Amino acid sequence: GEDVEQSLFLSVREGDSSVINCTYTDSSSTYLYWYKQEPGAGLQLLTYIFSNMDMKQDQRLTVLLNKKDKHLSLRIADTQTGDSAIYFCAEREGTGRRALTFGSGTRLQVQP
Amino acid sequence: DTAVSQTPKYLVTQMGNDKSIKCEQNLGHDTMYWYKQDSKKFLKIMFSYNNKELIINETVPNRFSPKSPDKAHLNLHINSLELGDSAVYFCASSKGGRASEQYFGPGTRLTVT
Repeated sequence: GEDVEQSLFLSVREGDSSVINCTYTDSSSTYLYWYKQEPGAGLQLLTYIFSNMDMKQDQRLTVLLNKKDKHLSLRIADTQTGDSAIYFCAEREGTGRRALTFGSGTRLQVQP
Repeated sequence: DTAVSQTPKYLVTQMGNDKSIKCEQNLGHDTMYWYKQDSKKFLKIMFSYNNKELIINETVPNRFSPKSPDKAHLNLHINSLELGDSAVYFCASSKGGRASEQYFGPGTRLTVT
């Protein structure tokens, strides 16, 4: 079955870059997603990348995908205190099932 | 303007009761989902409906019964609630297509006492 893993916690200083890492096991994954969850709130889709891409950039966010190693990362440039949240990596398998398999989430703490 | 809405936002009830959570989306999507997030923030798919038809039914106790009266609504009914059912339940929706970005509701925090 699918398995998605993330480190649990990351602390950075305001203005620094944050890099959140994710590994997955399903080689048939077609799309990989990053979601953000602020305290007491739902999940906000940040960005996604198709499995035939290596990189995607969207303003302060850069997603890197190493398909060979099944490794996905999310880089947040110039991290702000408002970026403090839990970040979830998720994959959608390629068999047509539309449900997402989520990682355990990485709690990002931004210190002023 | 709310894209995916859920009611209620909070639900506190006693063991053995039956309760329902409602979800509505106004995005015109054809697929809807229920996810469960436990106390450790782990998210897992429970059910998925496409055009009112059940397409995913994970290993969930049959006390949980989803119902989709139309494409815009997916409700979750839970019978004989147990302590272990305490969690946050998220509804989501997506449009058919390759990317199928899923948009999530704000969640319903269920507490069973």
